[in-house]
Amino acid sequence: NAGVTQTPKFRVLKTGQSMTLLCAQDMNHEYMYWYRQDPGMGLRLIHYSVGEGTTAKGEVPDGYNVSRLKKQNFLLGLESAAPSQTSVYFCASSYSPGDREKLFFGSGTQLSVL
Amino acid sequence: GENVEQHPSTLSVQEGDSAVIKCTYSDSASNYFPWYKQELGKRPQLIIDIRSNVGEKKDQRIAVTLNKTAKHFSLHITETQPEDSAVYFCAASYGGSQGNLIFGKGTKLSVKP
Repeated sequence: NAGVTQTPKFRVLKTGQSMTLLCAQDMNHEYMYWYRQDPGMGLRLIHYSVGEGTTAKGEVPDGYNVSRLKKQNFLLGLESAAPSQTSVYFCASSYSPGDREKLFFGSGTQLSVL
Repeated sequence: GENVEQHPSTLSVQEGDSAVIKCTYSDSASNYFPWYKQELGKRPQLIIDIRSNVGEKKDQRIAVTLNKTAKHFSLHITETQPEDSAVYFCAASYGGSQGNLIFGKGTKLSVKP
């Protein structure tokens, strides 16, 4: 099992450019999440999904969109990147039910917006 | 809104000493409290968790205690080793049993040999 795989690992964007981050999990997890991590701010939830075809907003959803067309994949999109979106992005997934809260994280994507 | 406060933000101990990290939460409905360890440049990994029907849980050198009345929980690491050096995050579930996690801002633990 590869677990949770994120691509790309690094990316540099110019302000206004768009991009998509891909998260894939091979553990048959129902729940998937996108977090951002900024120095001194911990992990903040951007969007999440409780199953194929569903998405919901987290703590900091503005400027991001997501899609969960297949159970194993969760995409995070930035339509018009801003310097404030420079961050490390982590995807995570969890079992259901009962162990929903135990998160398995991907290795992260370092995004810089110039 | 929901909030998790974590203290201290940095902690330095000598190898072999104990380390304690404390967190407080605001949502009285929170019922799940995990701790994640993140080594430099790596992904966060779950090291221990506790549910609200338990007051304490141990796993070798690490333990977590929970005081629901006071709405705080703590991570205890005994006999610290250099490989314990990392950033530790506490978290609390919110929104009841189907809720997500809200994380503290992290504690950078340094264990000096």
